Amino acid sequence: NAGVTQTPKFQVLKTGQSMTLQCAQDMNHEYMSWYRQDPGMGLRLIHYSVGAGITDQGEVPNGYNVSRSTTEDFPLRLLSAAPSQTSVYFCASSFDRGLNEKLFFGSGTQLSVL
Amino acid sequence: GNSVTQMEGPVTLSEEAFLTINCTYTATGYPSLFWYVQYPGEGLQLLLKATKADDKGSNKGFEATYRKETTSFHLEKGSVQVSDSAVYFCALSERSGQAGTALIFGKGTTLSVSS
Repeated sequence: NAGVTQTPKFQVLKTGQSMTLQCAQDMNHEYMSWYRQDPGMGLRLIHYSVGAGITDQGEVPNGYNVSRSTTEDFPLRLLSAAPSQTSVYFCASSFDRGLNEKLFFGSGTQLSVL
Repeated sequence: GNSVTQMEGPVTLSEEAFLTINCTYTATGYPSLFWYVQYPGEGLQLLLKATKADDKGSNKGFEATYRKETTSFHLEKGSVQVSDSAVYFCALSERSGQAGTALIFGKGTTLSVSS
């Protein structure tokens, strides 16, 4: 199994550009989420989904949109990139929304906004 | 709100040394506690977890005990190896929104082991 696959691995944007970070999982997981990782900040939750058609905001949702049209895919959209969105982005999934569930992480997308 | 505090790094050790990485938490209720590890260039992987007070999680020689009285979940290993060099994150789970859950992460502790 591929697990959680993120593309691209690296991306450079100019301020104001838009782009979509892709995330796909092949484990039939119900729960998917996006985190951003910044130096000295740990990981912070951006958005999450508990199933197809259901999404909700996390701790730092501003500037990001998500949708969940299928169980497998959970893309993260930046509508107008800002330098403050320079970060490493991780997609993660788990079998269900339980508090004890193990999260499976993708290998990350390193985004730079100039 | 809920939070996790980890000891500042980096932690630099020689091979076969004893490792402790401190983690304390603030939470309402009874969260599950986790240690995740991130090797260079990779995503995070679950190392171990504990779901209730006095539980001990263990994996690959690492262990941590859920201490409710001290709100702590310290990570220990008796003899580290060079291959243990990585960033270690302590985390707790909490309810988020109407139906979701979220992991609250500490800032991470970088471990560097030399031979």
